[in-house]
Amino acid sequence: GQQVMQIPQYQHVQEGEDFTTYCNSSTTLSNIQWYKQRPGGHPVFLIQLVKSGEVKKQKRLTFQFGEAKKNSSLHITATQTTDVGTYFCGTGRRALTFGSGTRLQVQP
Amino acid sequence: DGGITQSPKYLFRKEGQNVTLSCEQNLNHDAMYWYRQDPGQGLRLIYYSQIVNDFQKGDIAEGYSVSREKKESFPLTVTSAQKNPTAFYLCASNEGADTQYFGPGTRLTVL
Repeated sequence: GQQVMQIPQYQHVQEGEDFTTYCNSSTTLSNIQWYKQRPGGHPVFLIQLVKSGEVKKQKRLTFQFGEAKKNSSLHITATQTTDVGTYFCGTGRRALTFGSGTRLQVQP
Repeated sequence: DGGITQSPKYLFRKEGQNVTLSCEQNLNHDAMYWYRQDPGQGLRLIYYSQIVNDFQKGDIAEGYSVSREKKESFPLTVTSAQKNPTAFYLCASNEGADTQYFGPGTRLTVL
């Protein structure tokens, strides 16, 4: 199956700083889905990207899918304490293969 | 109010015991999934079912079993053959290739 590597594993930022997590694959991906998991909670769907070079925005969050459909990124502008959690990328048409996640800590 | 429910929230098991984790959804989704999450790690697929009375093994199916007798229910049994069952278990469902909706999870601890 498709494998996705996610980096960094952990990032600690000051509130107001930007944050980016990356999801990379050696093979072309059919899609990328991004999820957020708050501490002690369950993953919640954020967005899906399917087109080469696609960029989508949700308020302070910007999601990109690479031209070759082998990588994706999630960028948060001006982080807030409510952004704390682990961000996962996943790929697949039915059952998903997930990256290992990036845990974001935001210092007030 | 539609959604996925999992029970129990916390479960303690003695070594050598089988335990069954419940997952119910009222979203009318055909597909349901079980994932395992270990601390600081991503989600790994245990089993999935695309339709009633049918299911497939995921990446780490050894030591687990499932059934899908009803569309809304997909229970997972952790058997004594699972050597390291302590983990957070997440159930999910979806329709087609759409977003997956996750339940609140069950934390299983082996004593």
